[in-house]
Amino acid sequence: SQQGEEDPQALSIQEGENATMNCSYKTSINNLQWYRQNSGRGLVHLILIRSNEREKHSGRLRVTLDTSKKSSSLLITASRAADTASYFCALERAQKLVFGQGTRLTINP
Amino acid sequence: DAGVIQSPRHEVTEMGQEVTLRCKPISGHDYLFWYRQTMMRGLELLIYFNNNVPIDDSGMPEDRFSAKMPNASFSTLKIQPSEPRDSAVYFCASSLVETEYEQYFGPGTRLTVT
Repeated sequence: SQQGEEDPQALSIQEGENATMNCSYKTSINNLQWYRQNSGRGLVHLILIRSNEREKHSGRLRVTLDTSKKSSSLLITASRAADTASYFCALERAQKLVFGQGTRLTINP
Repeated sequence: DAGVIQSPRHEVTEMGQEVTLRCKPISGHDYLFWYRQTMMRGLELLIYFNNNVPIDDSGMPEDRFSAKMPNASFSTLKIQPSEPRDSAVYFCASSLVETEYEQYFGPGTRLTVT
């Protein structure tokens, strides 16, 4: 498969807790991107990590990339109800993105 | 910038009818992508353009689907004739090579074929 595979498929946590989502892949990549999709909306770009990078931060988001294991993780710290959404990893190869099936994250108040 | 604009937002049509979805990418972006999203199959890339030229249409499900990009600010995805299994949310996205293909998505068109 050329797409990333997210794990878990669904995650439910309490507000204030940290949420970790993982993405594994099998092919080489130029970069890996994470997107969020709120119900009924289009996808929104969160963060991009290049194949030669190991970690990136953006606000409460932390992304890691391990090219030797072909895996990435997205950590959302101090979760909020507004973080409830589906999160997708996308592999960039040859100008286009291949999206995984996503992780459905629910933040309980 | 207003972002990627898609119309209509919702379309309900009967089987056999022609459906045309429209997209206006972000000004200056040189790539445009059409996706289809369903619960069963997730997000599928249908076709993408670079500088108005179709580059890869291998994701187009069959000949009933066609896409055009007559200029840098407009693209259409047409389904003729439509079938119930075409019911899905169709997204348009655009990107720029300088930003490493980070994609900006439109709000989508929810298509229901009865």
